[in-house]
Amino acid sequence: DGGITQSPKYLFRKEGQNVTLSCEQNLNHDAMYWYRQDPGQGLRLIYYSQIVNDFQKGDIAEGYSVSREKKESFPLTVTSAQKNPTAFYLCASSIDLASGDYNEQFFGPGTRLTVL
Amino acid sequence: ILNVEQSPQSLHVQEGDSTNFTCSFPSSNFYALHWYRWETAKSPEALFVMTLNGDEKKKGRISATLNTKEGYSYLYIKGSQPEDSATYLCAFSGAGSYQLTFGKGTKLSVIP
Repeated sequence: DGGITQSPKYLFRKEGQNVTLSCEQNLNHDAMYWYRQDPGQGLRLIYYSQIVNDFQKGDIAEGYSVSREKKESFPLTVTSAQKNPTAFYLCASSIDLASGDYNEQFFGPGTRLTVL
Repeated sequence: ILNVEQSPQSLHVQEGDSTNFTCSFPSSNFYALHWYRWETAKSPEALFVMTLNGDEKKKGRISATLNTKEGYSYLYIKGSQPEDSATYLCAFSGAGSYQLTFGKGTKLSVIP
């Protein structure tokens, strides 16, 4: 089955620890994205990557880092510099915009991170 | 930062009722408007991608319209069923951008 997987579903960490959230896709999509959702807020873009070895900051990148060493993988690290890391994190992917799909994005099931 | 607004924030309807909700977005630099359906414990699922002013799309009992000149889209559900209960998200895509700007969503609860 083609799709996007995120692991783990729930993650608990102590304050001050870095934590890495996994996102893998087998859709052969070029672009990948990380969003954060907080109660009462829309999805907010953290980072995105249009192609391997390239990524761009989104609206709320501070305290986060990413890498894109492989087309199918886009891990997100929540660092100790992120002031309010407890949130629900969604990963998404899309075909390259040039293909004409109007940037339709496909989402994973999400990871709920709780920092204690 | 782009402003995408959805209303109402939540609503409860009886099974069989028809309902609609609104998404408003910037009317300039428009590229596409996306509707997603997000059921609890599942991934958001694409419903419609709308690109042309006056577009009307339909999938079963769900339909959507688009007005890019005034910057709004309506989502309609005819004869709501309990399985329609979900959060409905709209997202704006501007020309030349890889980003989607999401609204906060409308949470629909259909009461059997």
